[in-house]
Amino acid sequence: QVQLQESGPGLVKPSETLSLSCSVSGDAINSTTYYWGWIRQSPGKGLEWLGLIYYTGSTYYSSSLKSRVIISLDPSRIHFSLQLTSVTAADTAVYFCARHVVVAASAVDYWGQGTLVTVSS
Amino acid sequence: SYDLTQSPSVSVSPGQTAHIACSGDKLADKYISWYQQTPGQSPVLIIYQDSNRPSGIPERFSGSNSGNTATLTISGTQAMDEADYYCQTWDTGTVIFGGGTKLTVL
Repeated sequence: QVQLQESGPGLVKPSETLSLSCSVSGDAINSTTYYWGWIRQSPGKGLEWLGLIYYTGSTYYSSSLKSRVIISLDPSRIHFSLQLTSVTAADTAVYFCARHVVVAASAVDYWGQGTLVTVSS
Repeated sequence: SYDLTQSPSVSVSPGQTAHIACSGDKLADKYISWYQQTPGQSPVLIIYQDSNRPSGIPERFSGSNSGNTATLTISGTQAMDEADYYCQTWDTGTVIFGGGTKLTVL
């Protein structure tokens, strides 16, 4: 059974960097079948895709956040991470890590439970 | 950039059929996925590649994609189907979500 679990600070100060990690169990990140990505949801709003990474290290990012987002793979291939720089209150959201199916137009077949990150001083 | 448009809300009576639409330019050229999200929960994939149901998803959920519109159909809608529904596709290296449709079962 595949499980994804987000971890990281629940409170980040404005202008600082938000850093989250996603732990993957029940599957290998170095699979050719999947991308590994991040999606967020601001309170009361819809889903916003941030970016994803392939096992090779290739990345794709949202054009609107590209200058502030970095997604990386842990060398252990058990975790992947999100960094979002220069955060503001607008970055307050529930952040989900996700497994995307490459051949199915990146459909997300597994989601983490989500972690709320609040940006506030 | 490519956009997916959904109506903000749809209402349906219990036992009736609900249709939730997702529109985009030449959408039929792309694969669409659909997700159901209830309050406080992570989204759940209910349709992928336009019309395929993952294991465990009830048969009353079905999907189609033609022209500029993809449609999620819920037959015999139940109270438990009240949720937010999102469509999603992939375009030139970008994952795109529709704005979501709130389904109310009256």
